[in-house]
Amino acid sequence: DGGITQSPKYLFRKEGQNVTLSCEQNLNHDAMYWYRQDPGQGLRLIYYSQIVNDFQKGDIAEGYSVSREKKESFPLTVTSAQKNPTAFYLCASTPLGREPLTDTQYFGPGTRLTVL
Amino acid sequence: GDSVTQMEGPVTLSEEACLTINCTYTATGYPSLFWYVQYPGEGLQLLLKATKADDKGSNKGFEATYRKETTSFHLEKGSVQVSDSAVYFCGLGAGGTSYGKLTFGQGTILTVHP
Repeated sequence: DGGITQSPKYLFRKEGQNVTLSCEQNLNHDAMYWYRQDPGQGLRLIYYSQIVNDFQKGDIAEGYSVSREKKESFPLTVTSAQKNPTAFYLCASTPLGREPLTDTQYFGPGTRLTVL
Repeated sequence: GDSVTQMEGPVTLSEEACLTINCTYTATGYPSLFWYVQYPGEGLQLLLKATKADDKGSNKGFEATYRKETTSFHLEKGSVQVSDSAVYFCGLGAGGTSYGKLTFGQGTILTVHP
């Protein structure tokens, strides 16, 4: 089955530690995205990538970093510079031009990060 | 810039009641419009979409019509079920050089009681 996997589902870290969230897709999609979800605030875009070895900042990139070394993988690192990292993190992908409706995004199940 | 405004929730209904969740948008050009649904503890799933004015998206009894004259994409269902309890997000895709990026509303929590 094709899809997007995020691991782990729940993640606990101590304050001041960096943590990396995994996102893998086997849909052969070109673009990948990371969102942060907080209660009552909807989804906010952190970073996105259209092709391998290239990525752009979204609306709330401060305190986060990403890499795109492979088409299938787009890991997100939450650094100690992120002041309030406890949130639900969602990864998504889209094919970009491989179907008529290229804006449709497909989401992973999410990772809930709690910083203690 | 592009923006999406959804009616504030939470919305609480009894089973078999009618549902309307309002969504209006601001965008240049001709965006695609989406409704996504999120069940507790899960990611978002595409519910329906429309790509041009007067298009109607539909799925699982839900419908929404792309109204360019009122810049709206309201979600409707004639008879809700307990299993429809979830968070609903309206989204907009500007296409072109937006590289697949979507702009989402803040989400509307729907709770349906038996």
